[in-house]
Amino acid sequence: DTGVSQNPRHKITKRGQNVTFRCDPISEHNRLYWYRQTLGQGPEFLTYFQNEAQLEKSRLLSDRFSAERPKGSFSTLEIQRTEQGDSAMYLCAGQTLVGDTEAFFGQGTRLTVV
Amino acid sequence: EDQVTQSPEALRLQEGESSSLNCSYTVSGLRGLFWYRQDPGKGPEFLFTLYSAGEEKEKERLKATLTKKESFLHITAPKPEDSATYLCAAYGNTGGFKTIFGAGTRLFVKA
Repeated sequence: DTGVSQNPRHKITKRGQNVTFRCDPISEHNRLYWYRQTLGQGPEFLTYFQNEAQLEKSRLLSDRFSAERPKGSFSTLEIQRTEQGDSAMYLCAGQTLVGDTEAFFGQGTRLTVV
Repeated sequence: EDQVTQSPEALRLQEGESSSLNCSYTVSGLRGLFWYRQDPGKGPEFLFTLYSAGEEKEKERLKATLTKKESFLHITAPKPEDSATYLCAAYGNTGGFKTIFGAGTRLFVKA
């Protein structure tokens, strides 16, 4: 158990609907990442938070995507006006601020857009 | 541009048949190289972190090594429960805060 929990585990939505995912890291995880993973590929970086500040966003993150981390604890990732191409596993990872250590992943949220 | 390439894409082994997985990286100012295991439908599970060329780490049947251009994950006498996708990832000075992942090697171990 990495201590990083994600909800929901699975989400099926109709094209055009908005969806929101939640990530709860442990308190020591000052750093928090969101990744997207499609079948047969490795995780692709989406965005990074250090405490409550969003310090980096990938070019993959279109205007329909927004992420927040209020108070530097849990984080949410919202996708507006979903498209079929958004279907993927969305992974959250937490990391401490100590050096260049490994990140610990949650179990992910599998999104299917129909 | 930073890049991580893993080979082979898939590897089928008999139980007890040792082998190695390769991870080639092009990352400016490598600060850390990570190996993860991922089971179907689950998030990646951390295995090892390597920081400098020549470093080696072991855990049960797995051993990870690092050179200036590659990392290897050696699997000794694998068992069916070692079947999974193994992901390599690298983190450098010029990539901001992001870690670049390879596409993974899917390992199948047959009893």
